[in-house]
Amino acid sequence: QVTLKESGPGILQPSHTLSLTCSFSGFSLSTYGMGVSWIRQPSGKGLEWLATIWWNGNPYNNTSLKSRLTVSKDTSNNQAFLKVTSVDTADTATYYCVHTEFTIAAPLFAYWGQGTLVTVSS
Amino acid sequence: DIQMTQSPSFLSASVGDRVTINCKPSQNINRYLNWYQQKLGEAPKLLIYNANSLQTGIPSRFSGSGSGTDFTLTISSLQPEDVATYFCLQHNSWPYTFGAGTKLELK
Repeated sequence: QVTLKESGPGILQPSHTLSLTCSFSGFSLSTYGMGVSWIRQPSGKGLEWLATIWWNGNPYNNTSLKSRLTVSKDTSNNQAFLKVTSVDTADTATYYCVHTEFTIAAPLFAYWGQGTLVTVSS
Repeated sequence: DIQMTQSPSFLSASVGDRVTINCKPSQNINRYLNWYQQKLGEAPKLLIYNANSLQTGIPSRFSGSGSGTDFTLTISSLQPEDVATYFCLQHNSWPYTFGAGTKLELK
C-alpha cells in the first residue's frame, strides 16, 4: 500500500527558503522507474506540477519557476525533499507530494499525500 | 508548454443525469490524458488514465474518451457523492499541465 505524507513549516516570511519533506512507504526510490513529484494548489485554484525526482537522482523541474526549485531524495529513509528559494505571497498554496512512475502505461499520479498548507506572510 | 482548456468551468446537474466535461489541449497529446476528482478539503483522486482506462476501484459510471486534442469525461448517471471539482492532466510532454477545473454541483 502506497502512502505519502508531506511536512513543512506552515508559515514563512517572504524572501525565505521553503523546505518540504515527503515521507512515504509502499515503494522505494531506488527502484527503476519510481519517482516522487511535487504539485501545488493555491486555495480555490488549479493544480501546478512543480518538479519530479527520479530513482536515478535526476530531477525534472518546471522551468516556470526558473531556478528556484531543488528536489532531492534520501532513499534509505524513504524521503523526498523540495526547496523553493526566495518565496513570495504567490507561493502560498497547498503542496502535495505524489507517487510517480516513469512507465507511460502506468496510471500517473495515482497516489497523493494529504497536502501541507504553506502560507507566505510577513 | 501545452495549455489545457477545460469546459465548462461550472456545471449544475441533477441526480441521474449524464454529465460530460471536456478538455482540449493546445497540441496533440496522443492519449496521454488523465482525469482527477477533487472533493473539498481532499487531495485529487485519479479516475481515468491514458484517456480511457478506468483506475482500480473507480465506479463504472465514470468513463473517458478521446485522443489528440479533444477529450471527454463522462459520468453516466450522476450520484450525490460525485459533487466535486474535476481536473484533466496532460502527460505527453514536460512540463505536465492541468486544466483549470470543472466544479460540479447538484441542481
